[in-house]
Amino acid sequence: GAVVSQHPSWVICKSGTSVKIECRSLDFQATTMFWYRQFPKQSLMLMATSNEGSKATYEQGVEKDKFLINHASLTLSTLTVTSAHPEDSSFYICSARDSSPSSYNEQFFGPGTRLTVL
Amino acid sequence: GEDVEQSLFLSVREGDSSVINCTYTDSSSTYLYWYKQEPGAGLQLLTYIFSNMDMKQDQRLTVLLNKKDKHLSLRIADTQTGDSAIYFCAERFYNQGGKLIFGQGTELSVKP
Repeated sequence: GAVVSQHPSWVICKSGTSVKIECRSLDFQATTMFWYRQFPKQSLMLMATSNEGSKATYEQGVEKDKFLINHASLTLSTLTVTSAHPEDSSFYICSARDSSPSSYNEQFFGPGTRLTVL
Repeated sequence: GEDVEQSLFLSVREGDSSVINCTYTDSSSTYLYWYKQEPGAGLQLLTYIFSNMDMKQDQRLTVLLNKKDKHLSLRIADTQTGDSAIYFCAERFYNQGGKLIFGQGTELSVKP
């Protein structure tokens, strides 16, 4: 159990286009999901906390108009990188927090999405 | 403040023990975690420790927590080449929606 999927696993796009990344909790409900960004050989930087049915909370320095987050259901959150530029190329990882009382609110991570902007 | 520090590299020989260290700054964290990341992959939860514990053992893994010094360590006994990866420690903040703050990651290289 406790599987989180991301789609796509990798994407290449042209500069100026928008890219949507999906994060799904496959066998549990997640009222909260988190989006991280990881540059090569670096740590995961939290970008935003996504709450089902409400607006996302963005970390300082993250442009909310650039990285649109939608958490419309208890099993799906999406991150849209709008008007992508080469500096947005990165590895994006989501995690989902299990809402059930027995889970101790554990977070489970997706496999990541590699975005390359040409 | 929110800051988690790790040394960047560790090299050991197969069969030896590996000890990866981590320091954190915020005493309000509730859980502390160790994750493993292999190249191009997501994060795999290895183990975690609740902040009121000193030690946790899980097969080859031993986690030690010194809350006074805000120091966390992960010991891997009988390290194997398959343990080569990047290891991240992370602390979880109860009062901030449970978000995790990660250290920079320690790259463990296991030589045969």
